[in-house]
Amino acid sequence: GDSVTQMEGPVTLSEEAFLTINCTYTATGYPSLFWYVQYPGEGLQLLLKATKADDKGSNKGFEATYRKETTSFHLEKGSVQVSDSAVYFCALRDNQGGKLIFGQGTELSVKP
Amino acid sequence: DTGVSQNPRHKITKRGQNVTFRCDPISEHNRLYWYRQTLGQGPEFLTYFQNEAQLEKSRLLSDRFSAERPKGSFSTLEIQRTEQGDSAMYLCASSLDRGYEQYFGPGTRLTVT
Repeated sequence: GDSVTQMEGPVTLSEEAFLTINCTYTATGYPSLFWYVQYPGEGLQLLLKATKADDKGSNKGFEATYRKETTSFHLEKGSVQVSDSAVYFCALRDNQGGKLIFGQGTELSVKP
Repeated sequence: DTGVSQNPRHKITKRGQNVTFRCDPISEHNRLYWYRQTLGQGPEFLTYFQNEAQLEKSRLLSDRFSAERPKGSFSTLEIQRTEQGDSAMYLCASSLDRGYEQYFGPGTRLTVT
């Protein structure tokens, strides 16, 4: 079945460092891909999405490009802030019923 | 638009008891999803509704679990004869329809002692 694999955390960075969180997927066809973020004490929020190959999703300085050849959707940010500390989840949307299939999450901690 | 709400936010129960959670989706959202998230893991799909019809159930949803969405509005998730392994965060999400963004509620944290 469909699945998503993320790099394990926790990831600890200094403020203004470059961030990459790897995400690869296995799926039938070409599902839509998502990054969700969960800030401490808050619910899941959509961060960005891409619906087809070579699409780039972007939001709040974060970017991810849908790579069909490598079945990847890596999350990047050029300069992280303390406020980016959260758990990040990569997900794909099932082409049939529309349910989301999530990776295990990557905890990011940014130190001042 | 007040977003997706879930009640209660926290529930502590003893093993063997029944519990029921409620989810109120964003109004006019036709789809409603339930997920379960255990510590250190991503959310896992449980079931979803299109209006009042329950269209898919995960193998995770044992026969102790039942979900309803009467009249296609709010939904309830009931767990009978709770077990310690049921301890998790139960998340509800709604979307306008199949291809639209899912908006998540804050979750109900269940602790089974």
